[in-house]
Amino acid sequence: AQTVTQSQPEMSVQEAETVTLSCTYDTSESDYYLFWYKQPPSRQMILVIRQEAYKQQNATENRFSVNFQKAAKSFSLKISDSQLGDAAMYFCAYRRYTGTASKLTFGTGTRLQVTL
Amino acid sequence: DGGITQSPKYLFRKEGQNVTLSCEQNLNHDAMYWYRQDPGQGLRLIYYSQIVNDFQKGDIAEGYSVSREKKESFPLTVTSAQKNPTAFYLCASSWAERFNQPQHFGDGTRLSIL
Repeated sequence: AQTVTQSQPEMSVQEAETVTLSCTYDTSESDYYLFWYKQPPSRQMILVIRQEAYKQQNATENRFSVNFQKAAKSFSLKISDSQLGDAAMYFCAYRRYTGTASKLTFGTGTRLQVTL
Repeated sequence: DGGITQSPKYLFRKEGQNVTLSCEQNLNHDAMYWYRQDPGQGLRLIYYSQIVNDFQKGDIAEGYSVSREKKESFPLTVTSAQKNPTAFYLCASSWAERFNQPQHFGDGTRLSIL
């Protein structure tokens, strides 16, 4: 079974600075998808960024980028120029490439605080 | 606008009572999912359904039941057998075969015990 580990329960960053959230996962499969979701106080789950394991290029979405290290099974999220609205819980998630069970496996989350 | 609607937003259950959480989507997605979120924890999968009239148990299905009679709807019943039902419940949907497409989530239902 796949597992996802987020070892940082809480992180803090100053506005306009850069922060990196860590995620590691365990799988025996070679093809899969990885996601970062954001959950603000409203509790809605919002997709931040996704990465296909077969792509070597790291995904980027505006101020958000990932550092995907397939051999190390690491998938960290970098937030540049942090804004107050970035304060939220961030969840890393894994999804199989094929098969009948296209479910997500989530980590336990990292709570990000953004300070002035 | 397309999306996922969960109702009610807040729900209270008495001892020995079954309660049903509603989830409706108009995204024309094939697959639907129910997750449970406890404080300080990630989301855990309760049940999922790839097509109408078919569903599979997730990691924590005991004490829950579902049905999928329509593509748009995937209600979750929390039965009296679920001894610790207090949690935040999230419904999601996605394309069944397009695995690079993300799951879309509803706004959740918070269930508490009276």
